[in-house]
Amino acid sequence: QVQLQESGPGLVKPSETLSLTCTVSGGSVSSGSYYWSWIRQPPGKGLEWIGYIYNSGSTNSNPALKSRVTISVDTSKNQFSLKLSSVTAADTAIYYCARAPRYCSGGSCYELDDWGQGTLVTVSS
Amino acid sequence: QSALTQPASVSGSPGQSITISCTGTSSYVGGYNYVSWYQQHPGKAPKLMIYNVNNRPSGVSNRFSGSKSGNMASLTISGLQAEDEADYYCSSYTSSSTIYVFGTGTKVTVV
Repeated sequence: QVQLQESGPGLVKPSETLSLTCTVSGGSVSSGSYYWSWIRQPPGKGLEWIGYIYNSGSTNSNPALKSRVTISVDTSKNQFSLKLSSVTAADTAIYYCARAPRYCSGGSCYELDDWGQGTLVTVSS
Repeated sequence: QSALTQPASVSGSPGQSITISCTGTSSYVGGYNYVSWYQQHPGKAPKLMIYNVNNRPSGVSNRFSGSKSGNMASLTISGLQAEDEADYYCSSYTSSSTIYVFGTGTKVTVV
């Protein structure tokens, strides 16, 4: 069973860049079989998909956030990371990392089957 | 992309069955079978309950089932239990644009 753990600053100032890391254990971020994803949830609100990385460098992201999102991977540390630039109070949220299979096998494909516990990031001066 | 539409709340008594709807479009839900459902208890991460419309991951109770008709997917919880009280989100993956869209979320209350 893969385990994912988010880490990073809990407080970011407006206009600065939010940076988070997801450490993976029990699986490899080098695996081309999975999307390594970021999702966020503002307090008391619903889930929003941010983006994913696969094949150690290919990415895709939510069109609404695309201009501000950078997702990268560090295979030596078995981690993947999120950078969100020019943050405002609207970016205050719990940020989750998760994994989804890229290929269909036995009826399974694309579902976010493993999640980290989440980390709260507050944007405030 | 717009979120998928779910009812804000659904309630039921213990032992009853409830159904949560998830309405999308032909681009999201209708044209693809990559619909999944997630359960989220307060302060916890979402948990996968149903994938690809009607498949249950290992360990998920068979009281949870999924279906789809046209642009609407549904999650049914039968034999409702107190532990089922949580928020539920649908999600659709579109292989054309290769992005994920989540539903607006439904709060299930066991009364």
